[in-house]
Formats: sequence, structure tokens, C-alpha cells
Amino acid sequence: AQSVAQPEDQVNVAEGNPLTVKCTYSVSGNPYLFWYVQYPNRGLQFLLKYITGDNLVKGSYGFEAEFNKSQTSFHLKKPSALVSDSALYFCAVRDIDTDKLIFGTGTRLQVFP
Amino acid sequence: DTGVSQNPRHKITKRGQNVTFRCDPISEHNRLYWYRQTLGQGPEFLTYFQNEAQLEKSRLLSDRFSAERPKGSFSTLEIQRTEQGDSAMYLCASSAWDRDTGELFFGEGSRLTVL
Repeated sequence: AQSVAQPEDQVNVAEGNPLTVKCTYSVSGNPYLFWYVQYPNRGLQFLLKYITGDNLVKGSYGFEAEFNKSQTSFHLKKPSALVSDSALYFCAVRDIDTDKLIFGTGTRLQVFP
Repeated sequence: DTGVSQNPRHKITKRGQNVTFRCDPISEHNRLYWYRQTLGQGPEFLTYFQNEAQLEKSRLLSDRFSAERPKGSFSTLEIQRTEQGDSAMYLCASSAWDRDTGELFFGEGSRLTVL
């Protein structure tokens, strides 16, 4: 069965510093991977996805993610964090048998001024 | 607004009462999903529709839960005889499913509190 793991419950970073939110995956076959962001009491917003092609995927709000097949990782990155990036981030994988998205447990990003 | 719309946004009910949530997907999307999210957790899949056909139901969806999408447009999720454990955010998402895309577009959610 497909799954993703987000090993960090919370990531703290100072504004202006680079940030990384980690995600590892377990799939049979080629992975279809996604990142979503959730602000308090809001729904999930799509950030970016990896389907095929370049290992570095660029998304919304200056975020990017690096697909690494040998490490089965899909870490979310941003070169310079903003206080407004503080939110809950979810990694997800598409289940190849049923097409639904399976989400990780989430990582809370806190960016300090 | 052409996004996914969910109503009501908040519902407080007493244990044992029935509640119904509505989801209006993006108009051209043929797939509609329901997820449940409890505090501090990731969304958990409940069920999904392709047009009006319900293609999969999670084992999380007990007999007290029923979802419909009668005309392949909006969907309803009904919870009968609510229990305190049903308290959660219920998220609806839609997609125009294509093997090369696949992202879901989420609504703002319906938060249920069972007293």
C-alpha cells in the first residue's frame, strides 16, 4: 500500500532563512507526490506535485520540492522563509489502485520574525 | 467564486442528532471526495464519487454515515445518531481526474462539534 511519512511534527525557522519540510514515501510503482498547505480553520491548498520529469518541482508562493528516488524522499523547500509561511504542511501520495490521495500526518511550520 | 463550496462551515449538535453537510464541487469536475480531519492529524479518506457513482468507501465510514451525489453535481454527507467521536472537520475536494495531473481542490471544510 502507498504511504507517506512526515518525520517532524514541527519545524521552526527564522524569517529569511531557508526552510525544509521533510517527506518520505513508500509506493509500488512510480510515485505521484503532492504538497498541500493548510492555514488555521481553512481547507487545504495545493502547492505542487511530482508526476514525472525533472526532480526539482516548482510550485506556488516560492516553494519547491526535490524528488529523490534513491532516498524515497520528496522534501519541500523554500530559499527564504516568510512569517506568512507559518502553517500546517501535508505531503500526499496518490494510491495507484484507487486514485485517492493518502496524506501524511502533517508538519507545523513556524517562521519567527 | 468558482472554488469548492461547503455548507455549513460550522455545526454544533447534541449527541444522537442527525447532521447533513453539502459540498458543491468545481463545476467541470467529475470526481468528488470526502475526507475527515481531526485536530493535529492529516485528512483521512472517507469516500469518493465519479459523477454519480460512489466508487469507494473507507472502513472509517460506519453504517451511520451515508454520502450521495444524485445528479453528479453536488454531494451530501449525512451522519445519523452522532457521537462525540464524530467531532472533526469534514473536507470535500473535487478533481477533473487525469492521469497526468491528479491534484484535488479542497473546500474550506465543515467543522462538526458533537456535545
